[in-house]
Amino acid sequence: DADVTQTPRNRITKTGKRIMLECSQTKGHDRMYWYRQDPGLGLRLIYYSFDVKDINKGEISDGYSVSRQAQAKFSLSLESAIPNQTALYFCATSDFYEQYFGPGTRLTVT
Amino acid sequence: AQSVTQLGSHVSVSEGALVLLRCNYSSSVPPYLFWYVQYPNQGLQLLLKYTSAATLVKGINGFEAEFKKSETSFHLTKPSAHMSDAAEYFCAVTNYGGSQGNLIFGKGTKLSVKP
Repeated sequence: DADVTQTPRNRITKTGKRIMLECSQTKGHDRMYWYRQDPGLGLRLIYYSFDVKDINKGEISDGYSVSRQAQAKFSLSLESAIPNQTALYFCATSDFYEQYFGPGTRLTVT
Repeated sequence: AQSVTQLGSHVSVSEGALVLLRCNYSSSVPPYLFWYVQYPNQGLQLLLKYTSAATLVKGINGFEAEFKKSETSFHLTKPSAHMSDAAEYFCAVTNYGGSQGNLIFGKGTKLSVKP
């Protein structure tokens, strides 16, 4: 089984809809992250969490929110999706030195 | 603040030729540096990492990178390209001595390998 799983893997939604992307990890790490990838821009950090009670905004948090339900679960929500949130979203978890990435969720907002 | 610059958004080489992907970083404190690879329609996989031990780091699939502090560089090389190396490669930097421990990514270099 994969160490970091993301659901759904693909999602098409309409402008204005609320959507949640879920991430689970079996690595036992405290640190978890959400990134988005856009062509030519690399990966940019949306939110990160160093433990269940610690949530921090990243570089591009506007329009997003997160929930850390447990050590192993970290969800990303788009409260009211807009087309420029169309992107590939990655969840990651880390120990002190290395980040482990999930397979990604491809989100399209029409 | 830390940053990463990857020179060349696209690099094309012939099969069997040397692969050289360039990465320069900016960091006010000793950095930890990483190269990740992303194959089409897949997530990111760690190729190699520099964590202040040996400056020449060997990774998977025959790749290696050399940390050069004087040049603030961490270029990725492979002596002989294979068709299966076609992918996008990302350089990343972090400062785990700081409070954030987040990775800062470059914008990526897409490697094409011609037969």
